[in-house]
Amino acid sequence: GQQLNQSPQSMFIQEGEDVSMNCTSSSIFNTWLWYKQDPGEGPVLLIALYKAGELTSNGRLTAQFGITRKDSFLNISASIPSDVGIYFCAGRRSGANNLFFGTGTRLTVIP
Amino acid sequence: ETGVTQSPTHLIKTRGQQVTLRCSSQSGHNTVSWYQQALGQGPQFIFQYYREEENGRGNFPPRFSGLQFPNYSSELNVNALELDDSALYLCASSSGQGHEQYFGPGTRLTVT
Repeated sequence: GQQLNQSPQSMFIQEGEDVSMNCTSSSIFNTWLWYKQDPGEGPVLLIALYKAGELTSNGRLTAQFGITRKDSFLNISASIPSDVGIYFCAGRRSGANNLFFGTGTRLTVIP
Repeated sequence: ETGVTQSPTHLIKTRGQQVTLRCSSQSGHNTVSWYQQALGQGPQFIFQYYREEENGRGNFPPRFSGLQFPNYSSELNVNALELDDSALYLCASSSGQGHEQYFGPGTRLTVT
């Protein structure tokens, strides 16, 4: 099945730094979602985006729905150790029920 | 409010056997989707159940089948297990077909 391309694949940052990651697709999506997954657990929904150009925040997290509808971005400000995990983007096409997931960005925060 | 629950947590099966995984949806949710997540990859859509009927299917063979019950809980059945079926199987529930999906903790299946 199709997977979205996420970059970077992994990041090592110092505690307190800001983080940026993105997700791109060759297809247009009408919904973008960002999830965080800890080892051995299911993905946890962080942010949902429904309109091109939309910018939505959830605490220190901010995500944007790209204007082309083929990409999305996630920023984390002032990272803390509990931000460690794998971040997945997911998109849903118009009229479809399922989500297509990205390849994931593994974030490591160094105290 | 109870979140999505899955059972069992871990399972070890032999190639050729059959397995049934179970999922209870979050309170108020009527739609259940199943995903397979291989090690180091993102989840892949298997199928979705809405009103006890299959409502969309990914690129998985017919030996992957499912059920949804009147209380919206769901089962995933896999027949004739293959080594490549080893993965984390995730269930997600939502309050409608196109709504936000919330995931359970998953069932780790190992096929030997």
